[in-house]
Amino acid sequence: NAGVMQNPRHLVRRRGQEARLRCSPMKGHSHVYWYRQLPEEGLKFMVYLQKENIIDESGMPKERFSAEFPKEGPSILRIQQVVRGDSAAYFCASSPITGGSHEQYFGPGTRLTVT
Amino acid sequence: DAKTTQPPSMDCAEGRAANLPCNHSTISGNEYVYWYRQIHSQGPQYIIHGLKNNETNEMASLIITEDRKSSTLILPHATLRDTAVYYCIVRVALVSADKLIFGTGTRLQVFP
Repeated sequence: NAGVMQNPRHLVRRRGQEARLRCSPMKGHSHVYWYRQLPEEGLKFMVYLQKENIIDESGMPKERFSAEFPKEGPSILRIQQVVRGDSAAYFCASSPITGGSHEQYFGPGTRLTVT
Repeated sequence: DAKTTQPPSMDCAEGRAANLPCNHSTISGNEYVYWYRQIHSQGPQYIIHGLKNNETNEMASLIITEDRKSSTLILPHATLRDTAVYYCIVRVALVSADKLIFGTGTRLQVFP
């Protein structure tokens, strides 16, 4: 059973460009979470999605950031007009749909560098 | 904000037990204690969780005090590969899962 997959693993963008980060959850998982980790800091929650729905986006910056989890295909975190402060590791996690206590399984992350 | 407090760093000799404490004095009755770790720059890895009873799995043991205001993660025989940042997190476990709120964690250094 493949784990959470993220691509690309490393992404370099110039200021003003767009960054697209992809996350494929574990098989059978329909909950996806995005977290951001700035250098030397802990992980910060950004957004929680189920298929075709945003459940909680309380951690998302109000501008330039968006996320989706379509019926088919991976979840996408999109950052428009990137700035140097967006440089960070972005982690995706997934959890199953069934009841009970849920562990979140994390992917290896995408390291975004804005030059 | 995180609802837990942990020491910023700890050392442990290889082969010895590593005991990582966590305070969660404001924990609610329906909140679980979860432990994750992050090795170097990898994605966090789930370790264990519990509500009020002590728990054990192949990775670790979790001891929760009777009043549930603190807990200890025990790695019974630490290895060099256990060097990581360990995060203690409290969260409500529902049918619809909720976000994880990470604090600053404990940086565990296992030395030979």
